[in-house]
Amino acid sequence: NAGVTQTPKFQVLKTGQSMTLQCAQDMNHNSMYWYRQDPGMGLRLIYYSASEGTTDKGEVPNGYNVSRLNKREFSLRLESAAPSQTSVYFCASSEWGGDYGYTFGSGTRLTVV
Amino acid sequence: SQKIEQNSEALNIQEGKTATLTCNYTNYSPAYLQWYRQDPGRGPVFLLLIRENEKEKRKERLKVTFDTTLKQSLFHITASQPADSATYLCALANTGTASKLTFGTGTRLQVTL
Repeated sequence: NAGVTQTPKFQVLKTGQSMTLQCAQDMNHNSMYWYRQDPGMGLRLIYYSASEGTTDKGEVPNGYNVSRLNKREFSLRLESAAPSQTSVYFCASSEWGGDYGYTFGSGTRLTVV
Repeated sequence: SQKIEQNSEALNIQEGKTATLTCNYTNYSPAYLQWYRQDPGRGPVFLLLIRENEKEKRKERLKVTFDTTLKQSLFHITASQPADSATYLCALANTGTASKLTFGTGTRLQVTL
């Protein structure tokens, strides 16, 4: 099915471990985003990529890095995981310009112990 | 500071009635506002977009209004059905920030028979 694919769906990390969350879209969208969702906090933007070759910080970028590998793929890396990064992570994509809704992936549930 | 406020208390309504959800914002100059539906364990799904110069937008049983003077959007679901039970999120993009969306925390709607 067309859409946004995130891997893995679930992950448990120990404090200090690193990992990369993968995201790929097959809709030829220009823009891609990483959000985290925590109870009572709503979705908060971590990083986004307006177009291939560009990335920018969102509201909560500390502790994360991103790579826009090509137009389809946008990965999120945790270099040294902390318990505060326990969350559900969503990747999304959209056409550039903003008059379009986002298409979200199904999420990655990450627990850092 | 910028805020997007949605009623954190769940809205319980009877099947067949009209559900009305509210989204208030402060210190934004939104180019447009979007509404999403989110089911438990799933990513948000785009429903409707309304631009700053539009007062009302409809799609099937859904209606969105946008009052930039009151800084408020109302989201209506007419003839509600149990399948409409979900959390509904509003999201804004400021003028000049292109497609970068900020989300409210959402309101949970429960439609009972």
